[in-house]
Amino acid sequence: GAVVSQHPSWVICKSGTSVKIECRSLDFQATTMFWYRQFPKQSLMLMATSNEGSKATYEQGVEKDKFLINHASLTLSTLTVTSAHPEDSSFYICSARVRGTDPYEQYFGPGTRLTVT
Amino acid sequence: AQRVTQPEKLLSVFKGAPVELKCNYSYSGSPELFWYVQYSRQRLQLLLRHISRESIKGFTADLNKGETSFHLKKPFAQEEDSAMYYCALRSYGGATNKLIFGTGTLLAVQP
Repeated sequence: GAVVSQHPSWVICKSGTSVKIECRSLDFQATTMFWYRQFPKQSLMLMATSNEGSKATYEQGVEKDKFLINHASLTLSTLTVTSAHPEDSSFYICSARVRGTDPYEQYFGPGTRLTVT
Repeated sequence: AQRVTQPEKLLSVFKGAPVELKCNYSYSGSPELFWYVQYSRQRLQLLLRHISRESIKGFTADLNKGETSFHLKKPFAQEEDSAMYYCALRSYGGATNKLIFGTGTLLAVQP
């Protein structure tokens, strides 16, 4: 089946530093990747949608200069949290849509726990 | 406004009891609805979608446009059904489509 991986699974960084999270589709090509943020006991909030080779589309209220998304290939998207602050601490989940098949199928990564101290 | 509402944060039932997880939506067009499940320490995965009209692991969900609902049901709950359940709506707009999630309901099946 389609598998999406994320790296790292958890990361702790100091306030003011930047951290990069990778999202890979392991056995399929992803036309579109999505980045979500999930606060404890809350729902997944879509942050941005990225299509390979083009700029990401950010949801309202999401700072694109703070959350940099690069979708360099059909199997890799990265989210970089720049100048991280404690309020950026959250669970970040990526999701990928399979290319060339069911347009509704979307697979989720295991998530990355970010803690900013 | 496009919205998915899951009124219950927690639903606790005994094994063998019927289960109904509520989901209501708000969408101006023709809705496409899904149920996702997240078992403990596992990733989110698709459980079922209304266009397939399928039954997965004994769960079914019927889209009721009149009541704008897509409740998830199972006649006899099993302990392994304990998980977080999210109702989601596919929203179309711009260059792509995206999923809008409800806040989720934690189903706890007691032995």
